[in-house]
Amino acid sequence: QVQLVQSGAEVKKPGSSVKVSCKASGGTFSSYAISWVRQAPGQGLEWMGGIIPIFGTANYAQKFQGRVTITTDESTSTAYMELSSLRSEDTAVYYCARGSMVRGVKRGYYFDYWGQGTLVTVSS
Amino acid sequence: SSELTQDPAVSVALGQTVRITCQGDSLRSYYASWYQQKPGQAPVLVIYGKNNRPSGIPDRFSGSSSGNTASLTITGAQAEDEADYYCNSRDSSGNWVFGGGTKLTVL
Repeated sequence: QVQLVQSGAEVKKPGSSVKVSCKASGGTFSSYAISWVRQAPGQGLEWMGGIIPIFGTANYAQKFQGRVTITTDESTSTAYMELSSLRSEDTAVYYCARGSMVRGVKRGYYFDYWGQGTLVTVSS
Repeated sequence: SSELTQDPAVSVALGQTVRITCQGDSLRSYYASWYQQKPGQAPVLVIYGKNNRPSGIPDRFSGSSSGNTASLTITGAQAEDEADYYCNSRDSSGNWVFGGGTKLTVL
C-alpha cells in the first residue's frame, strides 16, 4: 500500500522560506509524478507544481513561478517543496499527491494517493 | 482556458440522487477526476478516467463526461457523503487544475 508521509507543521516569518518533505513508501517512487497542492483556510485546492523523479524536471503553476522549487531524492523516496518570500497569504495546508494516468478515448489524470498535509503558518 | 467551473453548493435529500458538474475546455481532451474532502482531512479520490472507482469507494458514486462537462453522480446519497467535492484535470500546458469545489449538503 502506497503511503505519503509529510513533515510536521511550520510557523514562519514573512519573507522567509519553508521546505516541506513528503516521504513515499510502498510503491515505485521514481516513475510516478509527485505534485504539491495547497489549501488556504476555507478555500479550495490549488495545484502548485509537480515533478517526475525519473526525469527530474519540475513544472510549476504560473502563480508560483520563481518562488517555489520542487525536488526529489530518489535514494530516500522523498519529495520536497520549498516556497520562498513567504507572506501571510501563503498560510495554508500543503499536500503532496501522487499523479497517475489512465488511457481511454481520452487520457485521465488523477491523484491516487495523498499525504496527510502540512500546515504552514506565516505570521510575524 | 485552463479553468474548471463548479457550482459552489448543492443539496440533496437523503437517499436521493445528486449530480455535481464541472465545466472547462480541458475536459474536451481529458477526463476529469473527482475528490471528496471532509473537514480536516486530505482529499480522497472517488472517480477517475471514464468512470473508474478506486477500491473502497461505494458504487453509488459514478462519473460521466460530455463535451466540456464532467459530472459526478451520487445515486442514493448517504449522510456520510456530505463533503466538499473537487474536480481536477490537466490542461494543454501540462499543468493540473482544480475546480473551485462544490459543497454537498445531505438533507
